[in-house]
Amino acid sequence: GAVVSQHPSWVICKSGTSVKIECRSLDFQATTMFWYRQFPKQSLMLMATSNEGSKATYEQGVEKDKFLINHASLTLSTLTVTSAHPEDSSFYICSARGQRGLGDTQYFGPGTRLTVL
Amino acid sequence: AQSVTQLDSQVPVFEEAPVELRCNYSSSVSVYLFWYVQYPNQGLQLLLKYLSGSTLVKGINGFEAEFNKSQTSFHLRKPSVHISDTAEYFCAVSAQGAQKLVFGQGTRLTINP
Repeated sequence: GAVVSQHPSWVICKSGTSVKIECRSLDFQATTMFWYRQFPKQSLMLMATSNEGSKATYEQGVEKDKFLINHASLTLSTLTVTSAHPEDSSFYICSARGQRGLGDTQYFGPGTRLTVL
Repeated sequence: AQSVTQLDSQVPVFEEAPVELRCNYSSSVSVYLFWYVQYPNQGLQLLLKYLSGSTLVKGINGFEAEFNKSQTSFHLRKPSVHISDTAEYFCAVSAQGAQKLVFGQGTRLTINP
């Protein structure tokens, strides 16, 4: 139980285009979803926290207009990187936290590797 | 605010040897503690967690960790490692009742035959 999927697993795009990444909780309802960014050989950096039906809360230094987050249902959150540039290339990981019964635990997706040319 | 320090960035061990990955945390409030494992180009998988109760927590793949409140530590141990345990290991903490996880910098465990 507590499986989280991400799609796509990798994406290559041209500079200036927008890319959407989906995060789904497959077997539980996620009241809260999180988006992280991970640079090579580094730890995870929290970008934003989103609760279903409300606006995401962004961490300091993360541009909300560049990284659009939508959490429209209890099983789906999307991250859209708008007008992507090479410096946005990174490994993006989502996690989901469920309702009672799953404790205070975040379950992570497999990640999406974004390469911007 | 919480913080996590993983004392070793890299730990090389021989196959079938025991291993301990160290994690210390700082917090002014009660916390929950987690260990996650990340295999190359993959997301994080939960190894084990401490929420309350017994301070010795057993997880998947033969790992265990002990919560030591006085030393603010949550070290991860395995009595005999396998080649397949080669991965990056992250210790994380969250304040009880809070949503955010704070991660350590990670420890790369390398198992040599």
